Amino acid sequence: GDSVTQMEGPVTLSEEAFLTINCTYTATGYPSLFWYVQYPGEGLQLLLKATKADDKGSNKGFEATYRKETTSFHLEKGSVQVSDSAVYFCALSEAGRRALTFGSGTRLQVQP
Amino acid sequence: GAVVSQHPSWVICKSGTSVKIECRSLDFQATTMFWYRQFPKQSLMLMATSNEGSKATYEQGVEKDKFLINHASLTLSTLTVTSAHPEDSSFYICSASPGGGRETQYFGPGTRLLVL
Repeated sequence: GDSVTQMEGPVTLSEEAFLTINCTYTATGYPSLFWYVQYPGEGLQLLLKATKADDKGSNKGFEATYRKETTSFHLEKGSVQVSDSAVYFCALSEAGRRALTFGSGTRLQVQP
Repeated sequence: GAVVSQHPSWVICKSGTSVKIECRSLDFQATTMFWYRQFPKQSLMLMATSNEGSKATYEQGVEKDKFLINHASLTLSTLTVTSAHPEDSSFYICSASPGGGRETQYFGPGTRLLVL
C-alpha cells in the first residue's frame, strides 16, 4: 500500500536559517503530493502541492519539487521565521482518490 | 477561505457510552467528507470516506458498527463512537472536499476524545 515517510522531529532552527524537511513516498501509481501545516490549536492547512513529476509547489516562501526518480518531495525554505513554528505533514493521494495518506509529521521550532 | 468546524473540540466520557462528533463545512458545500484518527506523535490515519446521501466507505480494519458515520447534508457529517472504550481515546479529525474537480481538502481543528 501507499506510504509516506518523513524525518522525525522536532527540528529546531534559529530565525533566518535554511529549512529542509525530508519526505519520501511509496505509491503504486502516480500520486499527487502535498505538504500540510498545522499551527498550534488549528486544523491542517494546505501549504503547497504538486501533481506530476518535476512540478514545483511553492507558497509563503516554502518550496517542494516532485522527484519521481527518488520518490521524494522535500520541503525547503530559505529563511525561516518564528511564525513558521508548526507541525508539517507530507501527504499523497492516488489518482482518482481524494483520500490522503499522511506522513507522521515533523514539528518545527524556530527560535528568535 | 473555506472553513471547517468540529464540535466538540474535546470530550471526556465514561467507558460504554457513545459520543457524537460533528463536522461542518461553514462556507461551502462538501460532497465528500473524510474522517481521520491521529494517535500521539503519529500520522493521521484515514478511517472512512463519506459522500452526502450515501453510506460511508470504511478503511480496512475500521469497525463500521463502532464508528458510525452519517453525512445527511452537504454541510454536515457526524461520527459516533459507540460503546466507547479507553482504546478509542484519540484525536479525531475531519476534512471536507467541495468536489466538482476540486480535490483540495479543508480540515477541521480536530476533536480530542478521552474515554475513562
